[in-house]
Amino acid sequence: AQTVTQSQPEMSVQEAETVTLSCTYDTSENNYYLFWYKQPPSRQMILVIRQEAYKQQNATENRFSVNFQKAAKSFSLKISDSQLGDTAMYFCAFGAHSNYQLIWGAGTKLIIKP
Amino acid sequence: ETGVTQTPRHLVMGMTNKKSLKCEQHLGHNAMYWYKQSAKKPLELMFVYNFKEQTENNSVPSRFSPECPNSSHLFLHLHTLQPEDSALYLCASSPSYQGETQYFGPGTRLLVL
Repeated sequence: AQTVTQSQPEMSVQEAETVTLSCTYDTSENNYYLFWYKQPPSRQMILVIRQEAYKQQNATENRFSVNFQKAAKSFSLKISDSQLGDTAMYFCAFGAHSNYQLIWGAGTKLIIKP
Repeated sequence: ETGVTQTPRHLVMGMTNKKSLKCEQHLGHNAMYWYKQSAKKPLELMFVYNFKEQTENNSVPSRFSPECPNSSHLFLHLHTLQPEDSALYLCASSPSYQGETQYFGPGTRLLVL
């Protein structure tokens, strides 16, 4: 069975600092996607970044980047120059090409302090 | 983000009421999903539709009844709900259903009294 684990229930950093959120997953699949989604207090679930497993290069989107370690089944999210608007729940998710279902982690609550 | 819309945004209903949640996607996607999000719990997948056909029902009670008339619209019909059904109901869509990126609507916050 596939699982996604986010070991940090909550994190808090000062504005402008860099923060890294952890995610590990377990699968026997070779072809899959990994995602980070953000859910701010407004409750809208928003895609932050996506990584395709066959790509060795880590995905980046402006201030957001990932550290994808396929052998270790690790997929961490780094947020640089954090902003107050980054305050949200962050969910890591796994999607196998062979399956319709995304497997979700329990989430990490990130608080950016002014 | 207006690619996926949901109405109503908030709903309060009694246990004997019948109501429907509506989801519409403007992204040209083929797959649509209903999720339930309760406090302190992971996201729960309820139903999946691919090209209007239901491909999965994750042991959801029959008081929840989905309907997908076309690839752009998805409904969740509710009847005789229980207080424990109070939650945020999220609709999502994706280009295909094979592990692809899912795009979410803003959700409907449901309170069952």
